[in-house]
Amino acid sequence: DAGVTQSPTHLIKTRGQHVTLRCSPISGHKSVSWYQQVLGQGPQFIFQYYEKEERGRGNFPDRFSARQFPNYSSELNVNALLLGDSALYLCASNQQGGGEKLFFGSGTQLSVL
Amino acid sequence: GESVGLHLPTLSVQEGDNSIINCAYSNSASDYFIWYKQESGKGPQFIIDIRSNMDKRQGQRVTVLLNKTVKHLSLQIAATQPGDSAVYFCAEVLSGNTPLVFGKGTRLSVIA
Repeated sequence: DAGVTQSPTHLIKTRGQHVTLRCSPISGHKSVSWYQQVLGQGPQFIFQYYEKEERGRGNFPDRFSARQFPNYSSELNVNALLLGDSALYLCASNQQGGGEKLFFGSGTQLSVL
Repeated sequence: GESVGLHLPTLSVQEGDNSIINCAYSNSASDYFIWYKQESGKGPQFIIDIRSNMDKRQGQRVTVLLNKTVKHLSLQIAATQPGDSAVYFCAEVLSGNTPLVFGKGTRLSVIA
C-alpha cells in the first residue's frame, strides 16, 4: 500500500511569492495534518483537516492556509513568502483526526531566497 | 516542544549494544505518546506508540517505557544496528482530537 505522498519534493521560491504544496493521504485515511520542520528542530503543527473541515490550527500567520478535497487529498498554501518560511513541510494522515496513529510523508523541502 | 536549534543531543552507541533514548514530555495530562525515527531527508517514521494507562509496550527490537510520575518516556532499542542511526523524536497527544506535539529530538549514532 502507498504511504502518504507529497509533491513536489523540493521547491525554490523567492521572497513575496506564493507556493502550493500537495498531499495524498494513505488510502482509507480521512484526516490530513500539516507540519513545518525547521532544520534541527521537531515538526511544528500547522493545520489539521478531517472530512474537508478544519479541525485545528497551530500558531502560524494567516499567510498559511489549507484545504481538503472530497478525495481527502490536501493542499497547503503559503502567501507572501518570507525567508523564515524555508523549511521541510510535512503532511501526515490518520483515520479519524487528532494526533493518534499519525503517519508522515517524506515532505516538501521549501527554500525561500 | 522546545527548540533545540542545530545542536541536537547525541547518543553514540556501539553496534550490537542496547540504546536508551530519553524524553521528558510537557503535559502531565497527555493521554497518548508516539516515538518517531527520522532519517536525513525523510519524514518521521512511526516506531511505536503507548497510551497513558500503560507503563510498557514492546515491539520488534524496541520497547517504550512510560513513567507518568516524572513525565518521562524512554525508547529502548535492542542490538542496535547501523541502520538505526537517525534522529528520534517523542511526541504526545493531550486527548481526543488535539494535535500531536513533538518533543526534543535525539540523534542516535551507531558506531560500527
